[in-house]
Amino acid sequence: EAGVVQSPRYKIIEKKQPVAFWCNPISGHNTLYWYRQNLGQGPELLIRYENEEAVDDSQLPKDRFSAERLKGVDSTLKIQPAELGDSAVYLCASSLVRASAEAFFGQGTRLTVV
Amino acid sequence: AQTVTQSQPEMSVQEAETVTLSCTYDTSESDYYLFWYKQPPSRQMILVIRQEAYKQQNATENRFSVNFQKAAKSFSLKISDSQLGDAAMYFCACIHFYGGSQGNLIFGKGTKLSVKP
Repeated sequence: EAGVVQSPRYKIIEKKQPVAFWCNPISGHNTLYWYRQNLGQGPELLIRYENEEAVDDSQLPKDRFSAERLKGVDSTLKIQPAELGDSAVYLCASSLVRASAEAFFGQGTRLTVV
Repeated sequence: AQTVTQSQPEMSVQEAETVTLSCTYDTSESDYYLFWYKQPPSRQMILVIRQEAYKQQNATENRFSVNFQKAAKSFSLKISDSQLGDAAMYFCACIHFYGGSQGNLIFGKGTKLSVKP
């Protein structure tokens, strides 16, 4: 079975440009997370979905970040406009509610804003 | 609010020796799971071990075991017979449950483990 798929793996953009990240979770997983991870730090939650509903977006900087999860399957995270401080790795993870609660992670997208 | 604290930014262990990584957590819920995740330089996070709070027995997975002290809200990871492939960032994480729902999966800041040959 395929794992969590993220694209692109790497992205370099100039500041003030828009950027989008895509995530396809494991089939059947109803919970989807987006995290931001700075170098040498732990993942910080941006948004959590249960099916197509964003149940916690309190840490998402809504002035420039947006996310959607159409039909409760794959998800897109967008930044517009990007700032230098947005340089980080963006991780997507999925899990089944309750069950084992184990989150399966994608390989992440490394964003560099220049 | 739920918090996870890892007080050791870096640890080092000799190959074949044993090392223990520390983690403390805080949650007001009584129903929760704790995890240790490993993130090698390739970046993909993988689960090492899981502990359900309602279980008194400490979880073990081959060379990996935990010391779960519920009253102290402590959850340490012991790696026995350390191997070069164990070198990675290790993250402690917690998720809680309430009613029929679950909360967020929250991570600590991580411990970088180096293994010396």
